[in-house]
Amino acid sequence: RKEVEQDPGPFNVPEGATVAFNCTYSNSASQSFFWYRQDCRKEPKLLMSVYSSGNEDGRFTAQLNRASQYISLLIRDSKLSDSATYLCVFENYGGSQGNLIFGKGTKLSVKP
Amino acid sequence: NAGVTQTPKFRVLKTGQSMTLLCAQDMNHEYMYWYRQDPGMGLRLIHYSVGEGTTAKGEVPDGYNVSRLKKQNFLLGLESAAPSQTSVYFCASHKRGTGLYEQYFGPGTRLTVT
Repeated sequence: RKEVEQDPGPFNVPEGATVAFNCTYSNSASQSFFWYRQDCRKEPKLLMSVYSSGNEDGRFTAQLNRASQYISLLIRDSKLSDSATYLCVFENYGGSQGNLIFGKGTKLSVKP
Repeated sequence: NAGVTQTPKFRVLKTGQSMTLLCAQDMNHEYMYWYRQDPGMGLRLIHYSVGEGTTAKGEVPDGYNVSRLKKQNFLLGLESAAPSQTSVYFCASHKRGTGLYEQYFGPGTRLTVT
């Protein structure tokens, strides 16, 4: 099983729609999870952390399910500006120095 | 405050040529990283540095060398470029004591090897 798996999409949704992405991970020792956003031909940027109890930031809700080893991102009331690739990321601390493990990303396209 | 900058932004190399990618940060960060991103792939760590004069291998180090002679600069070298090294290269940095996720990324270098 790969360390992190995401549905690559693309997800094509109309403005105002609600869309959800899931990401599964294989390392049960992983402690910290994040969603990053990457616009076309740009660098990735941190969107939000994912907390065990679930957390919300405006129209974005992130959840973690440790038992099933997945995290999710829900976007409500989609905007055209939400069009981007969303990367599932977790911190890996195997070895002397931790590093980030990036998923391949899920592409979202919001249409008018 | 420019953050993390990368030079060059684009480059085309022929197989066997060499080149050096420069990453510079003005935030006095101790940790610096080089990643590559290929189509349909997540970012993969090539090499990283936890401080001036120290470097270490990441997940995909083969074919690359790095140097961190100054705290603000992290150089990535390709001694003999191969088509498999066609990719987008991202540099990142973060401050010791902060979370790994608090990495600041540069804008990327698009490298094509023909």
